[in-house]
Amino acid sequence: DAGITQSPRYKITETGRQVTLMCHQTWSHSYMFWYRQDLGHGLRLIYYSAAADITDKGEVPDGYVVSRSKTENFPLTLESATRSQTSVYFCASRLTSGEMYEQYFGPGTRLTVT
Amino acid sequence: TQLLEQSPQFLSIQEGENLTVYCNSSSVFSSLQWYRQEPGEGPVLLVTVVTGGEVKKLKRLTFQFGDARKDSSLHITAAQPGDTGLYLCAAHALTDSWGKLQFGAGTQVVVTP
Repeated sequence: DAGITQSPRYKITETGRQVTLMCHQTWSHSYMFWYRQDLGHGLRLIYYSAAADITDKGEVPDGYVVSRSKTENFPLTLESATRSQTSVYFCASRLTSGEMYEQYFGPGTRLTVT
Repeated sequence: TQLLEQSPQFLSIQEGENLTVYCNSSSVFSSLQWYRQEPGEGPVLLVTVVTGGEVKKLKRLTFQFGDARKDSSLHITAAQPGDTGLYLCAAHALTDSWGKLQFGAGTQVVVTP
């Protein structure tokens, strides 16, 4: 099915471990984004990408790494997980048409760091 | 600091009542989006407003973009339990060439039968 998929949907890991969250989109959208959602903070941008091999930091990038070797994939890696990274993570892609910056979100990954 | 301020933070109403959610800012935007998020899912785009003063209707939902393009409102007529969810507004600053979206903190709407 077309759209954005994220895997895994749920993950429990221990402090200090490396974790990679996967994101795959089938629309060939150029732009992709990673957000985290925490109670009281809403959606905060971690990293974004304008195209393959073009990435940049968002509002809260510390402790995260991204790559984008192919247009359809945008994995997010937590190099050494900390409890403060317990959150729900959303991947999104964007259709850009003139002044429309509409984003389409995946179902999210709920990550718990113990 | 939230670029977009949403109010109220929480709204609980009975089925059949009307409600309005507000999204305000001191910045001017080229466009603004409204999303709805249900538990365990990602936000889903409801509408995009582009022109100052624009009004868009989606069934029982009415969206308005302020004349100065700094604020927006979402009005739900005769709310139903299916309208329950977290409503998020989002926009990008004119100075941001990448078009990154800023999101409001959201308004949690609960409609009880």
